[in-house]
Amino acid sequence: QQQVKQSPQSLIVQKGGISIINCAYENTAFDYFPWYQQFPGKGPALLIAIRPDVSEKKEGRFTISFNKSAKQFSLHIMDSQPGDSATYFCASYSGNTPLVFGKGTRLSVIA
Amino acid sequence: NAGVTQTPKFQVLKTGQSMTLQCAQDMNHNSMYWYRQDPGMGLRLIYYSASEGTTDKGEVPNGYNVSRLNKREFSLRLESAAPSQTSVYFCASSESILLREKLFFGSGTQLSVL
Repeated sequence: QQQVKQSPQSLIVQKGGISIINCAYENTAFDYFPWYQQFPGKGPALLIAIRPDVSEKKEGRFTISFNKSAKQFSLHIMDSQPGDSATYFCASYSGNTPLVFGKGTRLSVIA
Repeated sequence: NAGVTQTPKFQVLKTGQSMTLQCAQDMNHNSMYWYRQDPGMGLRLIYYSASEGTTDKGEVPNGYNVSRLNKREFSLRLESAAPSQTSVYFCASSESILLREKLFFGSGTQLSVL
């Protein structure tokens, strides 16, 4: 059962543009929303995370926007660079259960 | 810093063969996990160990067994491999599920079952 729905599956963005990846969830018990970044041949690594008591968190060019009423959160990558080309996973935690991941978005940033 | 170490990196099995994927972490983490990654399916949890001495099923446990050998090591066993188990397997660890600490992943094992 997929508890976190992620879209789009793939995304192509011009260098310098904005990349936007969206996730939606149904379980209102989710209380922590991280994004992981994965480069080819590597394991995923934490990129940025947000708790539901804030609506936005920014770290450099990466921003999470959180809409609690809509049960949605999104990752925005400003001034996208070719080095940002990777697969991005949204995820959620609930109670004492492990992290649940979305299906991933493959981002390609082209010059 | 080694972090999470998985062995082997690549493996080819014939249907029905068995094998064990090894995972070790050197960060003194309490919780460890096994995920599988398939194209278009994301990362799906197979089994996890919230703390030494405990193991629990995840989303896709059928066909697998695990052993939390000690605090450092968490192995995944395929008793009778099937082509549907062709996947990339990732081991991960974290300080604690309850603390919402980040997961540290190994570099993965690419398994093909023919």
